[in-house]
Amino acid sequence: KNEVEQSPQNLTAQEGEFITINCSYSVGISALHWLQQHPGGGIVSLFMLSSGKKKHGRLIATINIQEKHSSLHITASHPRDSAVYICAVWRLGYQLIWGAGTKLIIKP
Amino acid sequence: EAQVTQNPRYLITVTGKKLTVTCSQNMNHEYMSWYRQDPGLGLRQIYYSMNVEVTDKGDVPEGYKVSRKEKRNFPLILESPSPNQTSLYFCASSVVAGDFSYEQYFGPGTRLTVT
Repeated sequence: KNEVEQSPQNLTAQEGEFITINCSYSVGISALHWLQQHPGGGIVSLFMLSSGKKKHGRLIATINIQEKHSSLHITASHPRDSAVYICAVWRLGYQLIWGAGTKLIIKP
Repeated sequence: EAQVTQNPRYLITVTGKKLTVTCSQNMNHEYMSWYRQDPGLGLRQIYYSMNVEVTDKGDVPEGYKVSRKEKRNFPLILESPSPNQTSLYFCASSVVAGDFSYEQYFGPGTRLTVT
């Protein structure tokens, strides 16, 4: 079993829909990272979380440390949000463990 | 402009021919790391470095070497590349504080093909 599991693997939605991507992990962590990989391959950091909730524009990330679960939400989705969204956890000891990613396609 | 640079961006080479992929950051970050990304496997950490002269193995270090002689540079060395090292490679850097690193800044990636 992978230490970091993301769901769904693939998600296609219509423009304007509310999007939720989930991440569960099985190891002790010091923080969780959400990243976005563009179709061209570039990777951008979205959020770093160790507790609670963070918001940036239309993106919201939450984490529940007790349940070892995090969610990334996108409100009012837009075709430019189409990308691969990756969850990664900082395992205690400075190693970053990556989820497999969720490929999101937003149709106009 | 704050950035992580990698060179080359694309490389096709033959089995056994030593190569180096350079990585440089201009943000004075302590932490640097190398990842490889393969279809269906996601990103996997190769090596990381907490500071100058301090390096540690990640999950897939076999066949790779690194060095950290200066804070800004963290080259990845393939002494004898093999076809199973064909992959997309990313270098990243970040600040370190407390017991974890802050958000990582990524280089643009190096697509390596070993024939």
